[in-house]
Amino acid sequence: QKEVEQNSGPLSVPEGAIASLNCTYSDRGSQSFFWYRQYSGKSPELIMSIYSNGDKEDGRFTAQLNKASQYVSLLIRDSQPSDSATYLCAVNLYLGGDSSYKLIFGSGTRLLVRP
Amino acid sequence: GAVVSQHPSWVICKSGTSVKIECRSLDFQATTMFWYRQFPKQSLMLMATSNEGSKATYEQGVEKDKFLINHASLTLSTLTVTSAHPEDSSFYICSARDIGRTVDTQYFGPGTRLTVL
Repeated sequence: QKEVEQNSGPLSVPEGAIASLNCTYSDRGSQSFFWYRQYSGKSPELIMSIYSNGDKEDGRFTAQLNKASQYVSLLIRDSQPSDSATYLCAVNLYLGGDSSYKLIFGSGTRLLVRP
Repeated sequence: GAVVSQHPSWVICKSGTSVKIECRSLDFQATTMFWYRQFPKQSLMLMATSNEGSKATYEQGVEKDKFLINHASLTLSTLTVTSAHPEDSSFYICSARDIGRTVDTQYFGPGTRLTVL
């Protein structure tokens, strides 16, 4: 089982719709979770971080975390064609020792927003 | 916001030469930086974790003698691809860990596209 799993997509939604991106993780001890957006040929850009159960909203983006179900999601409201990109879910994996950790990435979900 | 720069943004070199890529955190100090590689249409692959003042930790399957990492200051890490070959052509991306935020967060540089002829 992969440590962070995402559906590769593509997820296709019409402009103005809500896009829902999902991610599950295997390490029950993980405490912080991130969503990055990556446009083709570019490096990842941080969109949201979340570490408490529940919802966190930032503009058109809402991250949702359910630690009991080991599930993180990202909702994009009023989707725009410019939102078309690959969305990477990332989970902090604590390795032990003095602040020793690394980010584990999912393989990403490609989102296409149709005009 | 946290800004990470990389230099150069792209490089083309001949097979057998060495290439150095710099990663800088511009507005925060980074005790830890990470080096990733990404081939076309594939996921990010962590190559190594760079710790300021100590040896880098390499992921399984990454040759430490080929990919030399130096993290001599709190704002600079370098990756040197030694004796580069065409199969090393890839998109190399660094990230820096900003521990000064509420949530320990990694910020990515813009990446360096390496083409080895």
